[in-house]
Amino acid sequence: DTGVSQDPRHKITKRGQNVTFRCDPISEHNRLYWYRQTLGQGPEFLTYFQNEAQLEKSRLLSDRFSAERPKGSFSTLEIQRTEQGDSAMYLCASSLGTGWRNEQFFGPGTRLTVL
Amino acid sequence: DAKTTQPPSMDCAEGRAANLPCNHSTISGNEYVYWYRQIHSQGPQYIIHGLKNNETNEMASLIITEDRKSSTLILPHATLRDTAVYYCIVRGDNYGQNFVFGPGTRLSVLP
Repeated sequence: DTGVSQDPRHKITKRGQNVTFRCDPISEHNRLYWYRQTLGQGPEFLTYFQNEAQLEKSRLLSDRFSAERPKGSFSTLEIQRTEQGDSAMYLCASSLGTGWRNEQFFGPGTRLTVL
Repeated sequence: DAKTTQPPSMDCAEGRAANLPCNHSTISGNEYVYWYRQIHSQGPQYIIHGLKNNETNEMASLIITEDRKSSTLILPHATLRDTAVYYCIVRGDNYGQNFVFGPGTRLSVLP
């Protein structure tokens, strides 16, 4: 257990439905990252927060995706009008973000299946 | 694209040292080498990272060549639980940089 938690761990939904995932980072970490991982591939970066500010978004993050970190603590990732291609593991990570101690600690992930 | 090259798979006998190589010939002076592993269906697990000097912790040792163009992760006494995909990542300490994961090395520890 890295101290990063994600909820739910599994989500099955029908195409066209909206889903929301939650990530709780390690409490003193000010950076929070979302990644997506499909079968057989390494994780791919989606977006990044420094405290409550969303500072970087990947081109993978289409306009159906939105992420928030309202108080600089937990974060949510919402996918609207889900498509079968959204089926993947969604990973959250956090880091202190300063100098040497910049390693990211990952949560267990939320596995999304879109039927 | 990932800045590293790793063999797609390796085998190691249980109890022996596992030596996982990584090439990062385009690494720049302020970029660190990170190693993570991912056991099936779990999130990636941080192992170790380094800049220039060799590093050791309770999980592994990281040997970085003097020119920093390659490194080796060493698991000194591999167990069956070390079977996983191992990712070598090069990352700068710049503001906002994320990790770029390649396909990694699938290590199989055999009994």
